[in-house]
Amino acid sequence: QVQLQESGPGLVKPSETLSLTCTVSGGSINSYCWSWIRQPPGKGLEWIAYICYNGDTNYNPSLKSRVTISKDTSKNQFSLNLSSVTAADTAVYSCARLVSGAAHFDYWGQGTLVTVSS
Amino acid sequence: QSALTQPPSASGSPGQSVTISCTGTSSDVGGHNYVSWYQQYPGKAPKLMIYDVIKRPSGVPDRFSGSKSGNTASLTVSGLQAEDEADYYCSSYAGSNNWGLFGGGTKLTVL
Repeated sequence: QVQLQESGPGLVKPSETLSLTCTVSGGSINSYCWSWIRQPPGKGLEWIAYICYNGDTNYNPSLKSRVTISKDTSKNQFSLNLSSVTAADTAVYSCARLVSGAAHFDYWGQGTLVTVSS
Repeated sequence: QSALTQPPSASGSPGQSVTISCTGTSSDVGGHNYVSWYQQYPGKAPKLMIYDVIKRPSGVPDRFSGSKSGNTASLTVSGLQAEDEADYYCSSYAGSNNWGLFGGGTKLTVL
């Protein structure tokens, strides 16, 4: 059973960079694609980015200028950096496994709340 | 980039059927057979319920079914049960440059 666990600071100051890591167990990130998705409090889901086993990446056009996704295969982890954050970036951030050929997410982490505030 | 359009709420009595719609455009829902549906309980991770418009992952009851007509996809829950009360989100592939869209979510209430 594939399991994903997000980790990172729960509080980030405005204008700083939000950094999160997703640790995958029960499966290798050397297969499939892996994604970040966020959900502002009381609102819907928003896809942020994905990175595939071969290094291919894709970003939400509305966030592309501020987002970087990367992976560390030795640790079976992938990470998200979101720069120049504002209060609008406050959300629960979740990592998920993406079945890229069919564009759906079959395994999700529990999510971590990141609040942007001074 | 616009989210897919879902009704904010839906409801039904136990045993009844409820259908939740998800409306997009010819660039996303209407242009690809890559619509998926997720069930989310408060404070919990979303769970994949339907993918590729009509397919159910192993373990999802066959009371859940998906369909699509033109630019609108639908999730039908038959034989409603109390445990079906949750938020439901649709998602669609939208092309390589605008890759993935989600709907705003529908809160399903079992009366």
